[in-house]
Amino acid sequence: ELKVEQNPLFLSMQEGKNYTIYCNYSTTSDRLYWYRQDPGKSLESLFVLLSNGAVKQEGRLMASLDTKARLSTLHITAAVHDLSATYFCAVDAVYSGAGSYQLTFGKGTKLSVIP
Amino acid sequence: EAGVVQSPRYKIIEKKQPVAFWCNPISGHNTLYWYLQNLGQGPELLIRYENEEAVDDSQLPKDRFSAERLKGVDSTLKIQPAELGDSAVYLCASSPLPGHQETQYFGPGTRLLVL
Repeated sequence: ELKVEQNPLFLSMQEGKNYTIYCNYSTTSDRLYWYRQDPGKSLESLFVLLSNGAVKQEGRLMASLDTKARLSTLHITAAVHDLSATYFCAVDAVYSGAGSYQLTFGKGTKLSVIP
Repeated sequence: EAGVVQSPRYKIIEKKQPVAFWCNPISGHNTLYWYLQNLGQGPELLIRYENEEAVDDSQLPKDRFSAERLKGVDSTLKIQPAELGDSAVYLCASSPLPGHQETQYFGPGTRLLVL
């Protein structure tokens, strides 16, 4: 069974600080997504990482993928309050029950940026 | 471009009652997904459609859950009878092409409370 583990699950950080969210997964995959979810809202796609060593950046967020280590990171630079949300990583891999590809999500990291 | 539309946004029912959720995907998106999201968890796939065909329903509890996608556009997810443990957010997502290599676009979800 594919396991996707995010840490930390809760993160409170001050504005202006840097921090990294980690996403570990237990099976071979070279396709990983990061989503953002605001309270009561839908999931918004942030990044799609397609291969080993892929790095994507948008504003204060940067995501990377190391398929050999089965690890993705989401780095936050100089956090601002607007980044407060829950961030999910999702791994695209074959689900053994069906033999087809599925997205398996982590539990999410709830980020609170405080002034 | 309109996003994925879901209705109702909220539903409160008593246990053992039936309930149905409706989803209208992004125009032109052939692939449609239904996910279940419990509080504090990431979404879990229930069923995936390619046009009218359910190509992966391995995680759909078929004793009480059913889904349909007539004409390959809108979809309905039904629960009959509902149980207390079904309280959750039901998310619909769509993607433009078949297969697993496409970003999924999520709707706002239907929040179900079973009393």
